[in-house]
Amino acid sequence: KQEVTQIPAALSVPEGENLVLNCSFTDSAIYNLQWFRQDPGKGLTSLLLIQSSQREQTSGRLNASLDKSSGRSTLYIAASQPGDSATYLCAVKYNAGNMLTFGGGTRLMVKP
Amino acid sequence: GAVVSQHPSWVICKSGTSVKIECRSLDFQATTMFWYRQFPKQSLMLMATSNEGSKATYEQGVEKDKFLINHASLTLSTLTVTSAHPEDSSFYICSVHGGVGETQYFGPGTRLLVL
Repeated sequence: KQEVTQIPAALSVPEGENLVLNCSFTDSAIYNLQWFRQDPGKGLTSLLLIQSSQREQTSGRLNASLDKSSGRSTLYIAASQPGDSATYLCAVKYNAGNMLTFGGGTRLMVKP
Repeated sequence: GAVVSQHPSWVICKSGTSVKIECRSLDFQATTMFWYRQFPKQSLMLMATSNEGSKATYEQGVEKDKFLINHASLTLSTLTVTSAHPEDSSFYICSVHGGVGETQYFGPGTRLLVL
């Protein structure tokens, strides 16, 4: 069974800290991995997409890495801000055109 | 990226009624759309894969006769929750895939509350 796990489930940090969110997956034969942000009661916003042949992607203060051999991805957020407070979801696609398998998410709270 | 809309964004209904949720791909022709469900404080779970012009594919444990999916055009898929019950109260989100690297784009979601 293909499972995606995110640790920690919740995280609270003071503003300005750099932080790392973790995602692990049981089947390393992935097609791509995507990180999303979800604000309370809202839909999903795509943050970063990493193809299976890539090792990392960067967008602004966000950097996502992928290590297929160990079945892990990390989302690094630099200089966190209160506006970064949200739930962060990682999702794995195993085949082209196929659906995503989601992790349970990490609820992030950045305190001013 | 693709723009995906859902309608309605909020619906409250009585137990036993049917509710239709629309998912539209506004600027992208989607042969495949996905329907997910999210219960409070839980992650998204795939319900079904909606295929244009053919029958939807349902995940294990999802009743196809209760959650009717119609994908009649490349820009519209509908999910009808038939004879809704309180346990069907949830956040329903659709997505389309495509574009560079097959990014998935999600609609804003529809929150259903069955009384």
